[in-house]
Amino acid sequence: GAGVSQTPSNKVTEKGKYVELRCDPISGHTALYWYRQSLGQGPEFLIYFQGTGAADDSGLPNDRFFAVRPEGSVSTLKIQRTERGDSAVYLCASSLIGIPNTEAFFGQGTRLTVV
Amino acid sequence: TQLLEQSPQFLSIQEGENLTVYCNSSSVFSSLQWYRQEPGEGPVLLVTVVTGGEVKKLKRLTFQFGDARKDSSLHITAAQPGDTGLYLCAGAGSGAGSYQLTFGKGTKLSVIP
Repeated sequence: GAGVSQTPSNKVTEKGKYVELRCDPISGHTALYWYRQSLGQGPEFLIYFQGTGAADDSGLPNDRFFAVRPEGSVSTLKIQRTERGDSAVYLCASSLIGIPNTEAFFGQGTRLTVV
Repeated sequence: TQLLEQSPQFLSIQEGENLTVYCNSSSVFSSLQWYRQEPGEGPVLLVTVVTGGEVKKLKRLTFQFGDARKDSSLHITAAQPGDTGLYLCAGAGSGAGSYQLTFGKGTKLSVIP
């Protein structure tokens, strides 16, 4: 596709369950970012990939959160033992090279609701 | 921890009015970006300012980066209903942290026809 694609668009899960959120970046973009946007807040940095490796995962809130990008393209954000406080919109972005040298393009996000 | 404060948080104005949105921090940023976000969508980049004192214009939108690179403003002239949305400023750090954006909470703008 032409833009960053995130699936699913919406995910409702029960507290304690495991979820996976998928991001398909723009083809050829080496940099990929995950952000989390809670209601009424701006996006908050989670993790940055350059190629296959996580260059910076300092924004992941705790060890229940993990992300992979095994082939340097699609990325999956994994959340174990979900909690109600994990409810938010999870945004993925990609750029040709790292920000701020090139524009980052955001997907539409996955709205996660933990009940 | 770098923080960006945006004001006002909410703004409702009549079509044709002018407005200014502010983005302030005590930290210096290597660059600052302004995004617009529609409901159910991701943020879309409007502009990046890099040099202290820099002014950029995008049609009816004027962006300014403060001399000390700690603050920025977005001015909209003759607002249109199509300008309605959430405006976010985001600062990039320097060096190894330059890829990491720190976002403000946003200004929710409503332009009434």
